[in-house]
Amino acid sequence: SQTIHQWPATLVQPVGSPLSLECTVEGTSNPNLYWYRQAAGRGLQLLFYSVGIGQISSEVPQNLSASRPQDRQFILSSKKLLLSDSGFYLCAWNGQGKGPQHFGDGTRLSIL
Amino acid sequence: GENVEQHPSTLSVQEGDSAVIKCTYSDSASNYFPWYKQELGKRPQLIIDIRSNVGEKKDQRIAVTLNKTAKHFSLHITETQPEDSAVYFCAASRIKAAGNKLTFGGGTRVLVKP
Repeated sequence: SQTIHQWPATLVQPVGSPLSLECTVEGTSNPNLYWYRQAAGRGLQLLFYSVGIGQISSEVPQNLSASRPQDRQFILSSKKLLLSDSGFYLCAWNGQGKGPQHFGDGTRLSIL
Repeated sequence: GENVEQHPSTLSVQEGDSAVIKCTYSDSASNYFPWYKQELGKRPQLIIDIRSNVGEKKDQRIAVTLNKTAKHFSLHITETQPEDSAVYFCAASRIKAAGNKLTFGGGTRVLVKP
């Protein structure tokens, strides 16, 4: 069966520091991968999606970037974090764009 | 692009009563509509989904109805239980469109009072 892993689970970072969040999927090949951000008490905002290695689509202009160096690995990065980058970051996948998206457990990011 | 509106934003029901959450979408080409349940601090989990070639789908106490003409779909929870308390999100997408992106509604916080 397929599983999705995200780490770390929680992260506290100072303003201006870099960021790297990682997501990996097991048990499937060539998945679509997604990064979402959820502000406290709010809905889900799609940040990036990827349909294959090296293919990244950005949904919202922002201080973040994404990369997909391997088929089942998706990385969210920032060179300099802002206070507004705080939130709950969720990675999701689905099978080549078919069927529902399944979410990882998320990373709760706090910026001080 | 697609826009999904969800109502109500909060819903309080007595245990055993029914809960109904409604969503409207703007893109008539959307053909896939999942519902997610998110408990506090946890990840969203798919509870039911429906495709545009079906008008209704049921899974035990949960049902979803779709009206393509009016571009709205609803989640029905019957015989609510305290463990149904959570935030529920509807979403819409076009299967086979680039990226199969989901557009989410703003969420409904459901509180089931014992």
